[in-house]
Amino acid sequence: GQQVMQIPQYQHVQEGEDFTTYCNSSTTLSNIQWYKQRPGGHPVFLIQLVKSGEVKKQKRLTFQFGEAKKNSSLHITATQTTDVGTYFCAGFLNDYKLSFGAGTTVTVRA
Amino acid sequence: GAGVSQTPSNKVTEKGKYVELRCDPISGHTALYWYRQSLGQGPEFLIYFQGTGAADDSGLPNDRFFAVRPEGSVSTLKIQRTERGDSAMYLCASSPTGSYGYTFGSGTRLTVV
Repeated sequence: GQQVMQIPQYQHVQEGEDFTTYCNSSTTLSNIQWYKQRPGGHPVFLIQLVKSGEVKKQKRLTFQFGEAKKNSSLHITATQTTDVGTYFCAGFLNDYKLSFGAGTTVTVRA
Repeated sequence: GAGVSQTPSNKVTEKGKYVELRCDPISGHTALYWYRQSLGQGPEFLIYFQGTGAADDSGLPNDRFFAVRPEGSVSTLKIQRTERGDSAMYLCASSPTGSYGYTFGSGTRLTVV
């Protein structure tokens, strides 16, 4: 089973609003990755966080890795229709095996 | 190639039949993975290849599933005696090394009827 939990499962957002999705692991992770899967598409790698407390930004997306390296968050500002999709976090169980969360599916109201 | 290529994109098969799913990774990527994704779920690990050898096949559900990568490039996932519960999207991914971002293919949608 999956060892990485994501909340919420669904996020319905008004266009222009901000939201945050969260990822929690029962174990300490060496690093964490985030992927985006558009409807009908495949997961696309967004970013990797490695250091405790690390924060990285990609335009309107801000990714954070917790101090204990057991949780992570993705914050999107000024949501656009192009942000629609499912966002997965994934943690390495060892040097190579990624365990994916169930994802947060984002829909946007224009 | 420019990306990870998977064929076929869709496969419908009858219960009990044998299927093969092919993955052509990015040239030079030594790490290759097979994942399975059911509707509304995240990808679930099946098997990992480093070069030609299956370094970790702990995610294969049972002995009806088998995968090979004979020359360290193209990989084939083989499913014998398919069951309706095998219906899912089968995703292949590759990366330069083990602990790096994966590049996924577009997947093969398998439907067992």
